[in-house]
Amino acid sequence: GAVVSQHPSRVICKSGTSVKIECRSLDFQATTMFWYRQFPKQSLMLMATSNEGSKATYEQGVEKDKFLINHASLTLSTLTVTSAHPEDSSFYICSARPWDIGRYEQYFGPGTRLTVT
Amino acid sequence: RKEVEQDPGPFNVPEGATVAFNCTYSNSASQSFFWYRQDCRKEPKLLMSVYSSGNEDGRFTAQLNRASQYISLLIRDSKLSDSATYLCVVNAQFYFGTGTSLTVIP
Repeated sequence: GAVVSQHPSRVICKSGTSVKIECRSLDFQATTMFWYRQFPKQSLMLMATSNEGSKATYEQGVEKDKFLINHASLTLSTLTVTSAHPEDSSFYICSARPWDIGRYEQYFGPGTRLTVT
Repeated sequence: RKEVEQDPGPFNVPEGATVAFNCTYSNSASQSFFWYRQDCRKEPKLLMSVYSSGNEDGRFTAQLNRASQYISLLIRDSKLSDSATYLCVVNAQFYFGTGTSLTVIP
């Protein structure tokens, strides 16, 4: 149990285009999903916390107009990188926290490797 | 000051050795603590939660020290397959430590 999928796993796009990444919890419901990015040899940096049915909470320094997050259902959250630039190239990972009360662990998707040329 | 701090290592230990990692946190109100492992170019996977009383899972032991605000992970009888980066995670917002790199040498 506790499987999270992410799509696509890898994407290459041209500078100025937008890219949408999907994160799905496959066998559980998740009221909260998190979006991270990770640069090589660095730890995960939390970008935003996404709650189903409400606006995402962005971490300081993360542009909400550039990284659009939609959490439309208890099993799906999307991250859209708008007007992507080469510096947005990174490994983007989502995670989901189960709905159950008292459960604070989270499960990660396999990540999306974005390369902007 | 960072929310969560870890010694990045690397730790290079021989097979069979015991190795311990610590992770300090700054928010004394933190309630949730976890250890994850991350293999190269993969997503983090939950290794174990850390409970107030300490907990053990096979060769792995996790402990919490609230007074000094740190958590620890002890790995006994290290295996080659334990080579990975170990990340501590604190609190519901899931702030990650920078990770500690472990390489177990045959």
